[in-house]
Amino acid sequence: EPEVTQTPSHQVTQMGQEVILRCVPISNHLYFYWYRQILGQKVEFLVSFYNNEISEKSEIFDDQFSVERPDGSNFTLKIRSTKLEDSAMYFCASSGTSGIVEQFFGPGTRLTVL
Amino acid sequence: QQQVKQSPQSLIVQKGGISIINCAYENTAFDYFPWYQQFPGKGPALLIAIRPDVSEKKEGRFTISFNKSAKQFSLHIMDSQPGDSATYFCAAIGSGNTPLVFGKGTRLSVIA
Repeated sequence: EPEVTQTPSHQVTQMGQEVILRCVPISNHLYFYWYRQILGQKVEFLVSFYNNEISEKSEIFDDQFSVERPDGSNFTLKIRSTKLEDSAMYFCASSGTSGIVEQFFGPGTRLTVL
Repeated sequence: QQQVKQSPQSLIVQKGGISIINCAYENTAFDYFPWYQQFPGKGPALLIAIRPDVSEKKEGRFTISFNKSAKQFSLHIMDSQPGDSATYFCAAIGSGNTPLVFGKGTRLSVIA
């Protein structure tokens, strides 16, 4: 069964460093998302991406964040200068063609900022 | 208006019992309501979902009840099993491929 994959599973970084989180969405999906979950809290939307551009973003997704689809399979989230409060689980999700709204989540990357 | 309110925060149920988790929303533009199950260290997995044109949807031991006029929906897990112990999130989404809005989650523990 197709699934969303994410790497790395755990990333530890120093405050102020740049990190890139990687995702491979389900191959025929067209809509891509990043969400985050601070420990013990709800899942929060960061950004959605369609047709090689951001379609929607939340207040959390400030200038420190960027997304990219560098090739036909990968979808990345970059945090330029990490802060302590960026420590969270980051989930990538994808959904299919327009009108098919089910979003499928990857296993997540645990980001720890020291 | 974008919030989805979920209760209870935690729930302990005896094996074989019924687990009930409730959610409420305000935004009438929401038209798809999924429930996600999350095990520790894993991503949310779609469990069951409903659209507001039906009042109930059942898949195996899992049932969603939907009350459009009250803007409430709930998840019922019949014959709860220890393997059902997880965190459950209700969510809502508007038309098209828009972002999911999640509730705060319910940690369910099913004890033998």
